[in-house]
Amino acid sequence: SQQGEEDPQALSIQEGENATMNCSYKTSINNLQWYRQNSGRGLVHLILIRSNEREKHSGRLRVTLDTSKKSSSLLITASRAADTASYFCAFRVEYGNKLVFGAGTILRVKS
Amino acid sequence: DVKVTQSSRYLVKRTGEKVFLECVQDMDHENMFWYRQDPGLGLRLIYFSYDVKMKEKGDIPEGYSVSREKKERFSLILESASTNQTSMYLCASSSQGYGQPQHFGDGTRLSIL
Repeated sequence: SQQGEEDPQALSIQEGENATMNCSYKTSINNLQWYRQNSGRGLVHLILIRSNEREKHSGRLRVTLDTSKKSSSLLITASRAADTASYFCAFRVEYGNKLVFGAGTILRVKS
Repeated sequence: DVKVTQSSRYLVKRTGEKVFLECVQDMDHENMFWYRQDPGLGLRLIYFSYDVKMKEKGDIPEGYSVSREKKERFSLILESASTNQTSMYLCASSSQGYGQPQHFGDGTRLSIL
């Protein structure tokens, strides 16, 4: 299966703490993306990192990509209750024509 | 702002009915996608389209068909609804090219009784 695997499946932290989610995949990729989904809503694109990049930042988000280990991590710093959501990685398989989504990590930030 | 609109948030239909799910985007995007989302399985691609009147099968096309007569509209059709098609259906669009960031609608939660 090409599906990405995310770890942990669920994460519960206190407001102000950092949250780290991981994504692993099995094939060569062109890019990897992270999305957020609030309960009952559609997915929202957060950040894209290309296969030749190692790290990318966007506000409180930091994404790393290790193509040798076929893994990526999403770090949310100084978390807020509003960050409570499901987070999905998605990647474009090299020479592929679609995105493959992971099963997601459910993040709960307690205030 | 970017907008993908799905015609219904909630829909209840009966087994054997023909069901139409509609999706409209206002971003002049070439690519449109239909996914279903089930607990523990993530998003699975049903069909996608890279141009008007063009369609390609995704990972789980069985029991579904699609129509794209206009660039902004992509319809998902359940030819004869079955209970195992009860799910959340998400439509998305993206600009031209493979692996572009996708913009999603809020989903249609479909129940087949």
